[in-house]
Amino acid sequence: GAGVSQTPSNKVTEKGKYVELRCDPISGHTALYWYRQSLGQGPEFLIYFQGTGAADDSGLPNDRFFAVRPEGSVSTLKIQRTERGDSAVYLCASSLNGVLGNEQFFGPGTRLTVL
Amino acid sequence: DAKTTQPPSMDCAEGRAANLPCNHSTISGNEYVYWYRQIHSQGPQYIIHGLKNNETNEMASLIITEDRKSSTLILPHATLRDTAVYYCIVRVGSRAGGTSYGKLTFGQGTILTVHP
Repeated sequence: GAGVSQTPSNKVTEKGKYVELRCDPISGHTALYWYRQSLGQGPEFLIYFQGTGAADDSGLPNDRFFAVRPEGSVSTLKIQRTERGDSAVYLCASSLNGVLGNEQFFGPGTRLTVL
Repeated sequence: DAKTTQPPSMDCAEGRAANLPCNHSTISGNEYVYWYRQIHSQGPQYIIHGLKNNETNEMASLIITEDRKSSTLILPHATLRDTAVYYCIVRVGSRAGGTSYGKLTFGQGTILTVHP
């Protein structure tokens, strides 16, 4: 079956611009996670959605980062006034219902480069 | 969150068993041990998880010590395609809307290189 998909696969932008990154989770998965991975590091948690609501946004680095999931399926991660330090691979994952013990399925990521 | 310690890198010959160790000495009773791997330029892939008992699936076996302070992931017959970064993660329960869920806290992982 279809896995988690993310678009675009690559995004190059200039410092100060606004970007949106999209995640399509596995159909029927109510839990959705965003992570960020810098070069040579493991992924770092950003935010967790259960259905339409952000149940845990403790990993968002600052208020330039925002994510939505209006219909409980597709999610968009939005970054305002991008900075060079935002350059990373942004990973999305989904799981059946987020309950401890359920595995997370990851997408291929969006590589964001801020010039 | 309980921290994990893994060797930064390991080598394994193709066809042999790869045994990847992980220390998690501060693990608490309700925390699961998870293993994921990440092949170059791909998202992480779930391998296996366990709470107390040893587990086996089609990909690997997970051996957890009786005191749960360490574990070993075993790939019984490593192939070149198993070359990846392997992450051992202790998954904590957190409360969100009354439901316990587990975000993943990744460390640096072990770079496993399988050579011919």
